[in-house]
Amino acid sequence: DVKVTQSSRYLVKRTGEKVFLECVQDMDHENMFWYRQDPGLGLRLIYFSYDVKMKEKGDIPEGYSVSREKKERFSLILESASTNQTSMYLCASIFQGRGTDTQYFGPGTRLTVL
Amino acid sequence: DAKTTQPTSMDCAEGRAANLPCNHSTISGNEYVYWYRQIHSQGPQYIIHGLKNNETNEMASLIITEDRKSSTLILPHATLRDTAVYYCIVRVASGGSNYKLTFGKGTLLTVNP
Repeated sequence: DVKVTQSSRYLVKRTGEKVFLECVQDMDHENMFWYRQDPGLGLRLIYFSYDVKMKEKGDIPEGYSVSREKKERFSLILESASTNQTSMYLCASIFQGRGTDTQYFGPGTRLTVL
Repeated sequence: DAKTTQPTSMDCAEGRAANLPCNHSTISGNEYVYWYRQIHSQGPQYIIHGLKNNETNEMASLIITEDRKSSTLILPHATLRDTAVYYCIVRVASGGSNYKLTFGKGTLLTVNP
């Protein structure tokens, strides 16, 4: 079974703090994504990575950065947390088939910024 | 990606089969039908996908009509833990950020004891 783990299920931080969210997958997948999920807005892509040290901006990268130093690990960094970054953060690891892909999600991190 | 239509909610008795329909009348030839679900406050979970043939795995079966304009996800023996929002998505994976998923409103399946 594919396993995607995230460092925390719940996190509370203060405005201005630097926040690290870590995601680890054990299936040697090349593609990994970070989404955030908010009520009424659905899933929104923040950043993705298609290989070690490679990253691309998604739809809402502002206020975030990422790091992919090892294939299994993809970190999301909030440089200076703000209250509008309170959200559920979801990491996904992607298995690519021919013309298809299957996304395996972690359990999510519910971040509250006070 | 083609648009899908799902009922807002459904109920099912525990132990019975849950049949979740999805309409995707504008599906194109290279688009796959995917099903994911999300239990409250958890990450989405992949269930199954298919192109035109019916598919079965340890979680569910996927029945796709011959014209591919609709499909049904079947959970053969629903349990209380199957209570979740179920998302039907039609898409072709083409790499990079095109892999990103977009969920519609889905169907809230409630399994009752």
